[in-house]
Amino acid sequence: DQQVKQNSPSLSVQEGRISILNCDYTNSMFDYFLWYKKYPAEGPTFLISISSIKDKNEDGRFTVFLNKSAKHLSLHIVPSQPGDSAVYFCAASETGTASKLTFGTGTRLQVTL
Amino acid sequence: DTGVSQNPRHKITKRGQNVTFRCDPISEHNRLYWYRQTLGQGPEFLTYFQNEAQLEKSRLLSDRFSAERPKGSFSTLEIQRTEQGDSAMYLCASSLALDYSYEQYFGPGTRLTVT
Repeated sequence: DQQVKQNSPSLSVQEGRISILNCDYTNSMFDYFLWYKKYPAEGPTFLISISSIKDKNEDGRFTVFLNKSAKHLSLHIVPSQPGDSAVYFCAASETGTASKLTFGTGTRLQVTL
Repeated sequence: DTGVSQNPRHKITKRGQNVTFRCDPISEHNRLYWYRQTLGQGPEFLTYFQNEAQLEKSRLLSDRFSAERPKGSFSTLEIQRTEQGDSAMYLCASSLALDYSYEQYFGPGTRLTVT
């Protein structure tokens, strides 16, 4: 049972444009969400997070939006840069336990020149 | 570099052999996690420690797997009698237990190939 879903395996965006990566979850106990970026042969790198008490969190070019009623979150990257090309994972946690992250299957972002 | 380190980075072993991986977390982090990632999937939780206590184990962690964190510092993950299905990337992560922050910081992983 996939509790965190990333339905787009890949996304291609031109440099300078906006990249929007989507994530859906089914477990209503999740209340903390994170995005990780992964380059080949490296471990996932933490990018940005959001608590369920917020609907938006921004950090430089990266903004995460959370829609709790729809159990949906998205990551916006503006402007996209070639160095953003990587696999992006959405992850969720229950703050009461804080013991583990449940990951989606990832979206491969390719930023083209 | 004070990030999470893992050794070895790659391990090739024959089916039935035992293997052990090591993880050194960020020094001030008291939580340590092990995850497994297979091709096309996201990391899947295996187990986690708070200091030296192993507080949760996934049902993915069969009795052939054992993890330890002596003295609450580095951790080892041992797989006994390896099977081809154990081939995966084994990731270690660490975090600082804070009420307001749940970010985990990952190491580069150990890629296990069972032949």
